[in-house]
Amino acid sequence: DIQMTQSPSSVSSSVGDRVIITCRASEEISYWLAWYQHKPGEAPKLLIYAASSLQSGVPSRFSGSGSGTEFTLTITSLQPEDFATYYCQQASRLPYTFGQGTKLEIK
Amino acid sequence: EVQLVESGGGLVEPGRSLRLSCTSSGFIFGDYAMSWFRQAPGKGLEWVGFIRSQPYGGTSEYAASVKDSFSFSRDDSKGIAFLQMKSLKPEDTAVYFCARVGQLASAYYFDLWGRGTVVTVSS
Repeated sequence: DIQMTQSPSSVSSSVGDRVIITCRASEEISYWLAWYQHKPGEAPKLLIYAASSLQSGVPSRFSGSGSGTEFTLTITSLQPEDFATYYCQQASRLPYTFGQGTKLEIK
Repeated sequence: EVQLVESGGGLVEPGRSLRLSCTSSGFIFGDYAMSWFRQAPGKGLEWVGFIRSQPYGGTSEYAASVKDSFSFSRDDSKGIAFLQMKSLKPEDTAVYFCARVGQLASAYYFDLWGRGTVVTVSS
């Protein structure tokens, strides 16, 4: 199975800050990567697919980049509603696997 | 409204069975593969598997951890996906989510999720 490793595991930031979350795959996955946002008690939400494509309806302050084994999710100008846990997921081959999550907390 | 709602969770004894439902609304259910995930307490998301749409054979793929005990089905006339769980173990305790499989950029991503239903396996 492809292992996905995110860093950091948690981060504290303030409204208006820029945050970068990194995801590393244990093997080459081209650009077959997605990012999701999940808040407790809510449905997870697809933010980015194909490493850098913004899902319809997602604010442009979210962006993704990378290919191969190294990927990043960048959130510029953090808003109060952005505090959540973020997961990367590889879509290269079965079984689909997720990173362990990055919890973004308010400083 | 476009949404998915899971139901059927609860407390079940080890070794017993449980069937979860995922009820859709607001889109043509039969056009999509449907996937299941779970999140154990304090853990991250785990892909459980998916069932393809009927035009693609309606076949399923499973994670190795559930391959022998879980199965998927679907009722396209009612817009419902099912997860049948047998021989449940305490380690199956989790919130179970269903998600729509969106084929975006020639790959499978999960573009619509439900809020989940809680399954607790305990005596």
